Amino acid sequence: QKEVEQDPGPLSVPEGAIVSLNCTYSNSAFQYFMWYRQYSRKGPELLMYTYSSGNKEDGRFTAQVDKSSKYISLFIRDSQPSDSATYLCAMRTGNQFYFGTGTSLTVIP
Amino acid sequence: SAVISQKPSRDICQRGTSLTIQCQVDSQVTMMFWYRQQPGQSLTLIATANQGSEATYESGFVIDKFPISRPNLTFSTLTVSNMSPEDSSIYLCSVLGLAVSYEQYFGPGTRLTVT
Repeated sequence: QKEVEQDPGPLSVPEGAIVSLNCTYSNSAFQYFMWYRQYSRKGPELLMYTYSSGNKEDGRFTAQVDKSSKYISLFIRDSQPSDSATYLCAMRTGNQFYFGTGTSLTVIP
Repeated sequence: SAVISQKPSRDICQRGTSLTIQCQVDSQVTMMFWYRQQPGQSLTLIATANQGSEATYESGFVIDKFPISRPNLTFSTLTVSNMSPEDSSIYLCSVLGLAVSYEQYFGPGTRLTVT
């Protein structure tokens, strides 16, 4: 079983839609939970992080962590064509980072 | 945040040759990481490079195939040796954040194709 599971998509939504991206994990030792956004031919950039169960909001983005279910989500409200990218979830314990495979998102104008 | 540059951005190489990828950071950092990213797969850590010590390699990666140098706190190189088509991938270097270490900053990547 992989440490982190993420549906690769691809996901295609119309502009303005609410997008839900999800990851599950198996290691209860994970302490930090992150979402990275990767545009084509670019390196991943940190979008959001959380370190506890609950929700964290930043503009149109909301990160949600449910440690009891070992499940994290990223919600994007009012999605824009500029949100078209691959989104990777990542988790950390100590100095070890574990990444999902990424979900490819396309927002259609 | 840290700004990371990589050279080359892309290359096409012949089987059996070697390529050295450079990673430059705009600030001094202790830990630098080298990853491989293949289509449909998660980022795979190749090794951790600390200045002044030998790089630490992950399972499945060996120094003879992926020698790493870390001459100072802002620079590192990764060499992909005796390349085969299976080495075709994107290679990324990254560093931990200076203020908050759970942040990881990535370079733009080097897209390698081996023919």
